[in-house]
Amino acid sequence: DAMVIQNPRYQVTQFGKPVTLSCSQTLNHNVMYWYQQKSSQAPKLLFHYYDKDFNNEADTPDNFQSRRPNTSFCFLDIRSPGLGDAAMYLCATSRARESRTDTQYFGPGTRLTVL
Amino acid sequence: AQKITQTQPGMFVQEKEAVTLDCTYDTSDPSYGLFWYKQPSSGEMIFLIYQGSYDQQNATEGRYSLNFQKARKSANLVISASQLGDSAMYFCAMREVLFGNEKLTFGTGTRLTIIP
Repeated sequence: DAMVIQNPRYQVTQFGKPVTLSCSQTLNHNVMYWYQQKSSQAPKLLFHYYDKDFNNEADTPDNFQSRRPNTSFCFLDIRSPGLGDAAMYLCATSRARESRTDTQYFGPGTRLTVL
Repeated sequence: AQKITQTQPGMFVQEKEAVTLDCTYDTSDPSYGLFWYKQPSSGEMIFLIYQGSYDQQNATEGRYSLNFQKARKSANLVISASQLGDSAMYFCAMREVLFGNEKLTFGTGTRLTIIP
């Protein structure tokens, strides 16, 4: 029944140790998004894929990378996590990009702790 | 300039009462979408309700309704007959298409607590 799946739900990593977060979807949506949400804040868009077309937000640090090997999967790579990267990471999908009415559906999130 | 404003950081409401969560927005685009999401302590963002800028009627989904006042640029969420499970963070969001790319902009959220 799950439509947007994120693994793991909780991830602990060490300062500077690369980490990869995973997102998969069963909706066959064209667009996949990664958001970062720090405690008591609104989600902040990092980047999104429209099919294989990658779109980075201007203020997303280079430390954050993404891969989308196929329609169903999208990965968030943090090359050298710092203490400030501890946050909830939310994956979302939508059917179309240039539609103001299209709903984004979110996964349960991965809560990242950096030690 | 802030595009989505939620002026209530926190609200406490008695169970079974109705509650209104405020949201105002700012855009010069005549075509946009407004969304409300619920985020329980588990972290998942749950889509609740959508209102399109050209929709003539206010959106409703079960106990949720959206009080859309376009001239005032407000899109308040109304939850009728509140339940303990409604305790969560609620985010208002607006979807715009800018330079061919869509963007969903969130407000700062309102933490709703339902009191038994």
